[in-house]
Amino acid sequence: ETGVTQSPTHLIKTRGQQVTLRCSSQSGHNTVSWYQQALGQGPQFIFQYYREEENGRGNFPPRFSGLQFPNYSSELNVNALELDDSALYLCASSKGGTNEKLFFGSGTQLSVL
Amino acid sequence: QQQVKQSPQSLIVQKGGISIINCAYENTAFDYFPWYQQFPGKGPALLIAIRPDVSEKKEGRFTISFNKSAKQFSLHIMDSQPGDSATYFCAASMGTGGFKTIFGAGTRLFVKA
Repeated sequence: ETGVTQSPTHLIKTRGQQVTLRCSSQSGHNTVSWYQQALGQGPQFIFQYYREEENGRGNFPPRFSGLQFPNYSSELNVNALELDDSALYLCASSKGGTNEKLFFGSGTQLSVL
Repeated sequence: QQQVKQSPQSLIVQKGGISIINCAYENTAFDYFPWYQQFPGKGPALLIAIRPDVSEKKEGRFTISFNKSAKQFSLHIMDSQPGDSATYFCAASMGTGGFKTIFGAGTRLFVKA
């Protein structure tokens, strides 16, 4: 059984650029959620994908967007990067469009300069 | 109403002692209350979870106590070990049909050998 894998592990971008983060869900999981974790804070929900569609969204602007692919892997795209976007981005997989028993990857550490 | 308030921010416990972390919520629609453990450089990992129809759940050295009327719940770590040193997050979600988990701000636990 493979766990949740995220790539890249670290990324440095400059303000205004665009970034794409990738996530492969755990074997047998068809739901992917993305969270943003600022330093010293708890994860904040960005959105969830289930059956290749956005299943719910947190309080993040439209420049945060995503995709889910037929193999249940997912991408998080952030346009027009701002300094405050610097954070750890976590992907979590689960089953059946729910958010119970989330399995998290180790995250992508994004630094915006 | 969507917040989960967690205390203390940090905790130092002697090896063999009991670690207690508290959380409070406001939204009575929450029906799933997990605790996650996060080590540096890793994503959160589900430790134990409870639903509001029970007042206590125990798994090994970890116990959740739940007080529905007070809208509070707590994590007790018995016989705390140095390997338990990590950041702990309480969380809440509307598990049935819900798509997002609300996390507390976290408690950094250090267990002294």
